[in-house]
Amino acid sequence: DAMVIQNPRYQVTQFGKPVTLSCSQTLNHNVMYWYQQKSSQAPKLLFHYYDKDFNNEADTPDNFQSRRPNTSFCFLDIRSPGLGDAAMYLCATSRNTGGRQYFGPGTRLTVT
Amino acid sequence: GESVGLHLPTLSVQEGDNSIINCAYSNSASDYFIWYKQESGKGPQFIIDIRSNMDKRQGQRVTVLLNKTVKHLSLQIAATQPGDSAVYFCAETFGSGNTGKLIFGQGTTLQVKP
Repeated sequence: DAMVIQNPRYQVTQFGKPVTLSCSQTLNHNVMYWYQQKSSQAPKLLFHYYDKDFNNEADTPDNFQSRRPNTSFCFLDIRSPGLGDAAMYLCATSRNTGGRQYFGPGTRLTVT
Repeated sequence: GESVGLHLPTLSVQEGDNSIINCAYSNSASDYFIWYKQESGKGPQFIIDIRSNMDKRQGQRVTVLLNKTVKHLSLQIAATQPGDSAVYFCAETFGSGNTGKLIFGQGTTLQVKP
């Protein structure tokens, strides 16, 4: 009965090699979010989709992109990962913005 | 500017004691607050929430208190158990419409001593 699913749970990529992380939800929520979380820090919002409407945070690097092909799926693309992009990436959903967010288990990204 | 902060980075309590985790927020317009628990290597897990038209809400072993006058939020955990050991984040909503989002505090690590 998983509600927010992230794959893979662990991802290793090489410096500069594009990588895609995926998120799916069974809640039929309108909003899907991507967060980056580094060790001992709070989650940092990268961007979110309200339905098909993309909302980028002002300080999110251009290296990070996202796609939401349908209600259930959302992808995070890192075009040229740097060592500083190693982190836990969290996907979350909510019925509407400003409400309770449901988080997935995260994908731990390692950049070698 | 908006910010949500926690007063103490680490809280250590004895098993069976009550825990109180505090949070200060700066945006007086925020109307919804959430406490999340995050265990190592896992995503944040919802604990309890409260809207600004309330000052107290209780769940199972947890209580959230909201003091809008001083912009302070607290999470009380009764009879703390080893399984409560985790990082606790408070979060407030900010913005409206399609751009509304959560702002997270920096987190308090709760350590439960047996």
